[in-house]
Amino acid sequence: QKEVEQNSGPLSVPEGAIASLNCTYSDRGSQSFFWYRQYSGKSPELIMFIYSNGDKEDGRFTAQLNKASQYVSLLIRDSQPSDSATYLCAEGWANNLFFGTGTRLTVIP
Amino acid sequence: SQTIHQWPATLVQPVGSPLSLECTVEGTSNPNLYWYRQAAGRGLQLLFYSVGIGQISSEVPQNLSASRPQDRQFILSSKKLLLSDSGFYLCAWTPGREETQYFGPGTRLLVL
Repeated sequence: QKEVEQNSGPLSVPEGAIASLNCTYSDRGSQSFFWYRQYSGKSPELIMFIYSNGDKEDGRFTAQLNKASQYVSLLIRDSQPSDSATYLCAEGWANNLFFGTGTRLTVIP
Repeated sequence: SQTIHQWPATLVQPVGSPLSLECTVEGTSNPNLYWYRQAAGRGLQLLFYSVGIGQISSEVPQNLSASRPQDRQFILSSKKLLLSDSGFYLCAWTPGREETQYFGPGTRLLVL
């Protein structure tokens, strides 16, 4: 059974700061990881995915994967109030995604 | 471009009543399709997935069932709803062999 662990939060950061969201996973063989953002009452939307060790940047977002330590993180630079949402980490396996329970982020103006 | 639709958007049903939720995808062919449930304040629970017409895999034994009568249509059903069936039901699709899933707008179900 695959397990994806996230701190449920809430995580509060001031506007303009860097928000750091973390996720750990149990299966050393897992190859693909995804970050989704879910606004309250809405469906999840994909932010980015990462397959390789190291960093992957997309605008203000950076995903970091460390397979040796089995963690994946998401950094949000210059956080905005509109970034306030729940962030879901997911692990990919055999055409399925296994989700964590999410971390709630609040960006304080 | 591809779009995914779900209806109804919200539903209030009495305990013991039947259920039918529909999901359709446009602009692609032979997608993998998924049904998830998200209870209030909880994570996403995978209920069913399908890799083709008539092919359904069930992840959680319960009083729900799924069907895929057409390539881009996925239906979630129940003969008798329970209080515990309340939640946010999400349909998702992937373009075949890819793992990235794209979610529909969801159906919020309240069972009273």
